[in-house]
Amino acid sequence: AQSVSQHNHHVILSEAASLELGCNYSYGGTVNLFWYVQYPGQHLQLLLKYFSGDPLVKGIKGFEAEFIKSKFSFNLRKPSVQWSDTAEYFCAVSRSGGYQKVTFGTGTKLQVIP
Amino acid sequence: DAGVTQSPTHLIKTRGQQVTLRCSPKSGHDTVSWYQQALGQGPQFIFQYYEEEERQRGNFPDRFSGHQFPNYSSELNVNALLLGDSALYLCASRGDFNTGELFFGEGSRLTVL
Repeated sequence: AQSVSQHNHHVILSEAASLELGCNYSYGGTVNLFWYVQYPGQHLQLLLKYFSGDPLVKGIKGFEAEFIKSKFSFNLRKPSVQWSDTAEYFCAVSRSGGYQKVTFGTGTKLQVIP
Repeated sequence: DAGVTQSPTHLIKTRGQQVTLRCSPKSGHDTVSWYQQALGQGPQFIFQYYEEEERQRGNFPDRFSGHQFPNYSSELNVNALLLGDSALYLCASRGDFNTGELFFGEGSRLTVL
């Protein structure tokens, strides 16, 4: 069964600092990878996704993630965070093909201090 | 274009009772998944419905059951409620076989006393 590990549970950064959130998954086959974000008081929404092709994917609001197959990792990055990036971030994985279930990590709470 | 809608938004039950939660998927979506999100945890997959059948199931007991209707809406039923069932229950829909992107509702917050 697939699983996802997010090692940072709570991250506090000052505005303009760079961000990198770690995500590792365990599944030996072909996978689809996602980052979802939940802003305070809002529902979960997709930040970015990787299916195939270029392992560096760009999402909304200046976020990007890099898929490193040899490390089973899909880390999320942003060069300069803003106060509005304060949210909880979830990494997720599904097997490729068909309507596969999506497995989520435990989430990382990001707090950006003005 | 309506997104995923869930009802009720909040409810309180006592141990041993039964609860039914409802979900209407995003317009044009035919697949519905249910997740349980306990406080401080990520969403845990309960099951997924497609063409009115349960297609995949996570590690949840049989007390958790569901249904999908011809209009693609869905219900989650939980019987014999336990204190540990207190959580946010999320419904997610998707309609694109290729992208796999889930669209989530706001959730139903269940408290079991």
